[in-house]
Amino acid sequence: NAGVTQTPKFQVLKTGQSMTLQCAQDMNHNSMYWYRQDPGMGLRLIYYSASEGTTDKGEVPNGYNVSRLNKREFSLRLESAAPSQTSVYFCASSGGTLSHNYEQYFGPGTRLTVT
Amino acid sequence: AQSVTQPDIHITVSEGASLELRCNYSYGATPYLFWYVQSPGQGLQLLLKYFSGDTLVQGIKGFEAEFKRSQSSFNLRKPSVHWSDAAEYFCAVASGGNQFYFGTGTSLTVIP
Repeated sequence: NAGVTQTPKFQVLKTGQSMTLQCAQDMNHNSMYWYRQDPGMGLRLIYYSASEGTTDKGEVPNGYNVSRLNKREFSLRLESAAPSQTSVYFCASSGGTLSHNYEQYFGPGTRLTVT
Repeated sequence: AQSVTQPDIHITVSEGASLELRCNYSYGATPYLFWYVQSPGQGLQLLLKYFSGDTLVQGIKGFEAEFKRSQSSFNLRKPSVHWSDAAEYFCAVASGGNQFYFGTGTSLTVIP
């Protein structure tokens, strides 16, 4: 039982390049999330998927796209990377119901640098 | 809109001393409240959560938190801090719409 896994762990991109961050969970959770963490800003929600087949914007969605490939996998794509997207990206999952197991489980993060 | 404030950016305590980390939230309805801990280079780990009921909740690693509706607060406490508690601590509030809002974090340094 690996929990939430993310690939890659580190990535360096040049401005304008594209890439996809991968996330998978093996806890049969309904909901999945993508956050970015910047110094002094805490975690900010980029996109989330409340259930398979649905995605919604969070607080900072501009410059990103997501795909909920199936119940296990939720990917984050940067189509044209910008230096402002230099950050640590975390994927998380939760059972997604208010009455039970509403807590989030986090992956180890992806450290992305855009030059 | 929901928001979470952690007024202390950085706290330093001596090992064995007590600890209180402050968290204030803004949310119209009954909130779901969480405290997470993040060690350097790691993801976030849940310490404890409040959904309803008893306003004093116990978590892992000897931590507890008290929900005070009148003060819109959910402060984290530990009676005796260990060197291994040095980390970043985040308070979070969840809305009914499946969105979580995190505070900016409090960095804890423990002096031997």
